[in-house]
Amino acid sequence: AQSVTQLDSQVPVFEEAPVELRCNYSSSVSVYLFWYVQYPNQGLQLLLKYLSGSTLVKGINGFEAEFNKSQTSFHLRKPSVHISDTAEYFCAVSEAGGFKTIFGAGTRLFVKA
Amino acid sequence: KAGVTQTPRYLIKTRGQQVTLSCSPISGHRSVSWYQQTPGQGLQFLFEYFSETQRNKGNFPGRFSGRQFSNSRSEMNVSTLELGDSALYLCASSLELAKHDTQYFGPGTRLTVL
Repeated sequence: AQSVTQLDSQVPVFEEAPVELRCNYSSSVSVYLFWYVQYPNQGLQLLLKYLSGSTLVKGINGFEAEFNKSQTSFHLRKPSVHISDTAEYFCAVSEAGGFKTIFGAGTRLFVKA
Repeated sequence: KAGVTQTPRYLIKTRGQQVTLSCSPISGHRSVSWYQQTPGQGLQFLFEYFSETQRNKGNFPGRFSGRQFSNSRSEMNVSTLELGDSALYLCASSLELAKHDTQYFGPGTRLTVL
């Protein structure tokens, strides 16, 4: 069965600093990987997804993630964060041909002025 | 295009009661998934429906059930509510989940069980 581990529950960072949110997954079959963001009192919004092809995926709001099959990782990065990036970020995985998505526990990004 | 709507947004019930939550997907989307979000457990998959058929179900007791109508609107029902059912219930729609189309989430229904 697939699973997702987000290694950091909280990440505090200063404005304009770079950030990396870590995500590892496990699965016995091919997977598809996603990052979602959740702002307070809102549902989730897709930031980016990896289905196939280039392992470097660019998403919205300046975020990007790199799929590393050998390390079973899909870390999210942004070179310079803004106060408005403060939110909870979820990594998710679904298996090829599957009908469900498994989410990690979430990482709360807190951007300080 | 209107987004995913969920009603009601907030709900307060007491133990032992039952509750029905509603989700209207984006027009044209046929796949609807439900998730339970709690501070301790994070986002847990409940079930997924496509063309009125449940295709997958998460590890939840039988008190949690759902259905999908011919217009793709979906409802979930929780019977004999327990305190631990207090959570944010999120609905997500997509064109076809099995093809890993993007899921669009609604704002959720916050259920409080007293």
